[in-house]
Amino acid sequence: DAGVIQSPRHEVTEMGQEVTLRCKPISGHNSLFWYRQTMMRGLELLIYFNNNVPIDDSGMPEDRFSAKMPNASFSTLKIQPSEPRDSAVYFCASSPPGTSPGKLFFGSGTQLSVL
Amino acid sequence: GQQLNQSPQSMFIQEGEDVSMNCTSSSIFNTWLWYKQDPGEGPVLLIALYKAGELTSNGRLTAQFGITRKDSFLNISASIPSDVGIYFCAGQLQAAGNKLTFGGGTRVLVKP
Repeated sequence: DAGVIQSPRHEVTEMGQEVTLRCKPISGHNSLFWYRQTMMRGLELLIYFNNNVPIDDSGMPEDRFSAKMPNASFSTLKIQPSEPRDSAVYFCASSPPGTSPGKLFFGSGTQLSVL
Repeated sequence: GQQLNQSPQSMFIQEGEDVSMNCTSSSIFNTWLWYKQDPGEGPVLLIALYKAGELTSNGRLTAQFGITRKDSFLNISASIPSDVGIYFCAGQLQAAGNKLTFGGGTRVLVKP
């Protein structure tokens, strides 16, 4: 079975450019989460969706960050304009309906480098 | 916000050794989970705990949900080379819905 699929795996961009990260959750899962991982701050929840609706975006650092989930099988995280401090690994995770809290299935991540 | 303090930050293991790591918080959590992350991959769930005092095993892994609901530990028995990686504890508050707070991780390395 396919797990959570993220693309691209690696992204190198210049400061000021727009960056779009993509995620395909596991089929049948109805919750989707975007996390950011850095050495300094560890794993931080940015936003999560339930049934395609954003439930909590309090972790989104600034207005430069936006996330969408137009349907159950696709989500994007956009950074515009990007800054060097946005460099991190961005993970998408999903969880199925009716599951106990916290059982997340993570993708392999997108390593973002903003120069 | 809530913080999870995980210790040790790193440890060296020798094949066959038992290892232990723990996680503490100033907040009470309803759920404790332990994840493992291999290089270049996302975290993978190892064990989930839902009741204070609960002791749960998954193969060579054993984890406990502390009685005070503010701590948890993870033990790995008879470690093997593939146990190398970063282990994260995570806690979930009832009021927080599906939000998890992650600890800083314990990096497990092999003794040279």
